[in-house]
Order: sequence, then C-alpha cells, then structure tokens
Amino acid sequence: DGGITQSPKYLFRKEGQNVTLSCEQNLNHDAMYWYRQDPGQGLRLIYYSQIVNDFQKGDIAEGYSVSREKKESFPLTVTSAQKNPTAFYLCASSIASGRGNEQFFGPGTRLTVL
Amino acid sequence: GESVGLHLPTLSVQEGDNSIINCAYSNSASDYFIWYKQESGKGPQFIIDIRSNMDKRQGQRVTVLLNKTVKHLSLQIAATQPGDSAVYFCAERGPGDTGTASKLTFGTGTRLQVTL
Repeated sequence: DGGITQSPKYLFRKEGQNVTLSCEQNLNHDAMYWYRQDPGQGLRLIYYSQIVNDFQKGDIAEGYSVSREKKESFPLTVTSAQKNPTAFYLCASSIASGRGNEQFFGPGTRLTVL
Repeated sequence: GESVGLHLPTLSVQEGDNSIINCAYSNSASDYFIWYKQESGKGPQFIIDIRSNMDKRQGQRVTVLLNKTVKHLSLQIAATQPGDSAVYFCAERGPGDTGTASKLTFGTGTRLQVTL
C-alpha cells in the first residue's frame, strides 16, 4: 500500500536531548513537509522540501533541523534549542506541481519532554 | 491569542441532519483551498478541495462553497453520521507559492460532534 509512515508513534525526551522523528513516503512525491500541532490549534509549518537536497524554513523553524538525502525520506530533528517541543508532529507530502495539490499526511508522532 | 486556540469551536449535530462548518480565510489572493478531517490522535485526512475559479464543488455527501467576496469557505456534510465526528480544518494556499511545494495555511479547526 502507498502512503506515509512516521515513527515512532510516541516519543519521550529528556530536556537537553536532541531527538529525530522519521518520515517515509512511497508515493513518489517530490515535496514533503513537517508541521507541528498543539492542543486545540491548527497546523504550523516547520520546514518543507521541494526536491532532494533542498529544503526551506517554514513559519516556526527555530530549534528544528531537517535533511532530504533521499526522495522518500524527510527526517526532522528536534534540538535542545527548541524551548517548548512537546507537541504532535505531522509529516506530509504532495505531488510536484506549480499549482495547488492536496497534501497527504502521516499518522503523526507525539513528542513529550520529561 | 493562545487561550482562544485551546477551545475549539464546536458544532453539535444530530445524526441524519446536515452539517455546515464555516471558515474565514485570510488572504484574498489565495487560489486553492482544502478541507481536512482529523480524528483524535491521527493525521488529517483529505475531504475535498476547490480552486479559486470555482464557487462550489461537490463530493460524496460533502459540498464546499467558496465566497471570495467575503473570504468565506464552508463545508456541508449531508446526512451526518457518527463517523463524521472529528475536527475539521480548512487550509488555503497563498498566491506566491509557484514552486513545487504547496505551502498551506491552516485554520484552527472546528470540532463536529454527532449526537444519536
């Protein structure tokens, strides 16, 4: 089945640690995205990538880093510089085009800082 | 502010009735809009989309209406079912996004509760 997978589903981190969230897609999509969702709020864009080896900051990139070494993978690292990392993290992908297209979302990773 | 976002607007509808969920979008030049459904603890799921050159689009049991004059988007769900209970988000794409990626701006969402 085609789709987007995220792992782990739940992640616990101690303060001061970096953690990496995995996102993999087998939809052959060029573009991939990372969002953060806080309780009762909409999604905020952290980083996005239009093509392999390229990525841009979204609205709330501070304290996060990404890489895009392969088309199907877009891991997100939450660094110790992120002051309030506890949230639900969602990865998405979309077909490459110059016009709007739907983004397909993964099941999410819930990160909790202890 | 932050405290407003913690309390999602909630729409309660009886099973079998029609639901109308509204969204005010921010950018008058946005050219593409999507409605997503998100169940608790899961990722958003695509429902229906509409481009700015249209004012209505219908899917299976769902209709999206776009009023560009007042920057308003609505999602109508016919014969609402218990499985429709979820949080519904609208999203818009701004006019400056000409690259490969579709940068979307999401609303804060509306919780739909279906009562039996």
